[in-house]
Amino acid sequence: AQSVTQLGSHVSVSEGALVLLRCNYSSSVPPYLFWYVQYPNQGLQLLLKYTTGATLVKGINGFEAEFKKSETSFHLTKPSAHMSDAAEYFCAVSEGTSGTYKYIFGTGTRLKVLA
Amino acid sequence: EAGVTQFPSHSVIEKGQTVTLRCDPISGHDNLYWYRRVMGKEIKFLLHFVKESKQDESGMPNNRFLAERTGGTYSTLKVQPAELEDSGVYFCASSHRGGRPYNEQFFGPGTRLTVL
Repeated sequence: AQSVTQLGSHVSVSEGALVLLRCNYSSSVPPYLFWYVQYPNQGLQLLLKYTTGATLVKGINGFEAEFKKSETSFHLTKPSAHMSDAAEYFCAVSEGTSGTYKYIFGTGTRLKVLA
Repeated sequence: EAGVTQFPSHSVIEKGQTVTLRCDPISGHDNLYWYRRVMGKEIKFLLHFVKESKQDESGMPNNRFLAERTGGTYSTLKVQPAELEDSGVYFCASSHRGGRPYNEQFFGPGTRLTVL
């Protein structure tokens, strides 16, 4: 079975500082990895996903993530935090067989942006 | 295009009562998923519909949970009788195609269930 570990349930950064949210996965097959964000009172929204090919994936709102197979990691970064980035972030891996796939999520990281 | 909607947004019930959660997926999406997040823990898969058929219900906790998707449109998740450990946020998601591991799922805002 596949699994995802997110280090740090809460992360605080100053506005304008680098955002780094960590995600490590465990998978016996090439993984398909996702980062979702949840703003208050909203559903989860896809930030970016890794399928195959380029290991540096760019997403919405200036976020990007790099797939590193040797480290089994898929950390999310943003060069400069904005107040509007305050939200909860979820890393997920897709698991299943032909015809049906489901997400395996990490426990989430709540990002706080300090003025 | 309307997103995934869920009703109610909050529900508070007594242990032993019955609650029914509803999910309306994005129009045209054949795949519908239910997930649950117990406080402080990860979001966990419950089940997956393709149209009206249950494709995978491996995550359903026990037989107190019943999910239906009559006509392949909206879905309901009934908990009967509810127990304290059923408290959490129930998310619904939908996707146009479910047969690929890289397909995006679109999530609703969730229903927060509190069992007292």
